[in-house]
Amino acid sequence: DAGVIQSPRHEVTEMGQEVTLRCKPISGHNSLFWYRQTMMRGLELLIYFNNNVPIDDSGMPEDRFSAKMPNASFSTLKIQPSEPRDSAVYFCASGMVTQYFGPGTRLTVL
Amino acid sequence: QKEVEQNSGPLSVPEGAIASLNCTYSDRGSQSFFWYRQYSGKSPELIMFIYSNGDKEDGRFTAQLNKASQYVSLLIRDSQPSDSATYLCAVNNFFTSGTYKYIFGTGTRLKVLA
Repeated sequence: DAGVIQSPRHEVTEMGQEVTLRCKPISGHNSLFWYRQTMMRGLELLIYFNNNVPIDDSGMPEDRFSAKMPNASFSTLKIQPSEPRDSAVYFCASGMVTQYFGPGTRLTVL
Repeated sequence: QKEVEQNSGPLSVPEGAIASLNCTYSDRGSQSFFWYRQYSGKSPELIMFIYSNGDKEDGRFTAQLNKASQYVSLLIRDSQPSDSATYLCAVNNFFTSGTYKYIFGTGTRLKVLA
């Protein structure tokens, strides 16, 4: 298995632009998680899906953030409009009790 | 009070020594506990999980859980320079609704000195 796949690995954009991060979970995993990691706040859970349904989005910082999971093999996290304070590493993870993380997307918003 | 607390470190130990990493949690209903290792610039990877009070050993790693004290620890025996990384404690809670809450600590940075 290829593990959790994320794209892009790096994204540099300007403030106000739309950013879309992509994730392909491990086949057969029913749960998918989006995290954000910064030095100041550590690893924060943004949202998770179970069987493609969003279960808890209480960690989504504000309405500029949205996430979708149209099918079992694909999820997106969108930020519109992006702001410099959104700069972080965004991880996708799949699994249930134990989570397997993707390589992350390093986002820089100028 | 943070829900999952770890000392940020760095914790420095000489090569060959035992490294002891600690984590406390606030929710008494927490059911499962995990240790992840994260190398700089990489993603977290699972080392161990533990559900029951007591010790669980896997190679050089031992996880210890004390639910009464709301305390979980990770011991690394015969520490190697390659063990230098940030160690994240995570706590999970399942609910009858079918949802669960998975919370990470901010991590402890371990440095093993050659």
